[in-house]
Amino acid sequence: NAGVTQTPKFQVLKTGQSMTLQCAQDMNHNSMYWYRQDPGMGLRLIYYSASEGTTDKGEVPNGYNVSRLNKREFSLRLESAAPSQTSVYFCASSEAVEAPDQPQHFGDGTRLSIL
Amino acid sequence: GENVEQHPSTLSVQEGDSAVIKCTYSDSASNYFPWYKQELGKRPQLIIDIRSNVGEKKDQRIAVTLNKTAKHFSLHITETQPEDSAVYFCAAGYTDKLIFGTGTRLQVFP
Repeated sequence: NAGVTQTPKFQVLKTGQSMTLQCAQDMNHNSMYWYRQDPGMGLRLIYYSASEGTTDKGEVPNGYNVSRLNKREFSLRLESAAPSQTSVYFCASSEAVEAPDQPQHFGDGTRLSIL
Repeated sequence: GENVEQHPSTLSVQEGDSAVIKCTYSDSASNYFPWYKQELGKRPQLIIDIRSNVGEKKDQRIAVTLNKTAKHFSLHITETQPEDSAVYFCAAGYTDKLIFGTGTRLQVFP
């Protein structure tokens, strides 16, 4: 099993461009999450989907949108990229349903630079 | 609001010594506390977790303790080895998500 797969692994954008980060999991997990990781700030939750068909804002949702396409896939979109969105983005998934009592499994991350 | 504080931010130990990382959380309703290890350039990986009905859990050289009254939990690594060098994150479960601490960079010197 591949686990959680993120694409692309690296991306450079210009300010104002848009792009979508893709995430897919093959573990039949219910919940999926998008985090950003910046130096000294740990993992901050952007958006999450506790079950297929639902999405909710996390700690830092501004400037992002998400789509839970089906149970396997959860995408993150930057409509108009800004330099402050330069970060490493991690997708994660979990068996948890409406309660965070199961481990989250992370993808390898997308390293995004915005010039 | 929801918050997890983690200390220290950096920790240097000699190979063979023990390392302790501490976290506190704000919501007394939290009942799940995982720890993740992240090596440079890699994904975070779960190393151990504990649920609120358990006070301590061990897995070989690592252990986690939980004090629900004081709302803090700790990671203990004994007989540290150079391959333990990484960033460690604690987390606490809130409603339907995890809140992460800001991480501890552990360096183990040979």
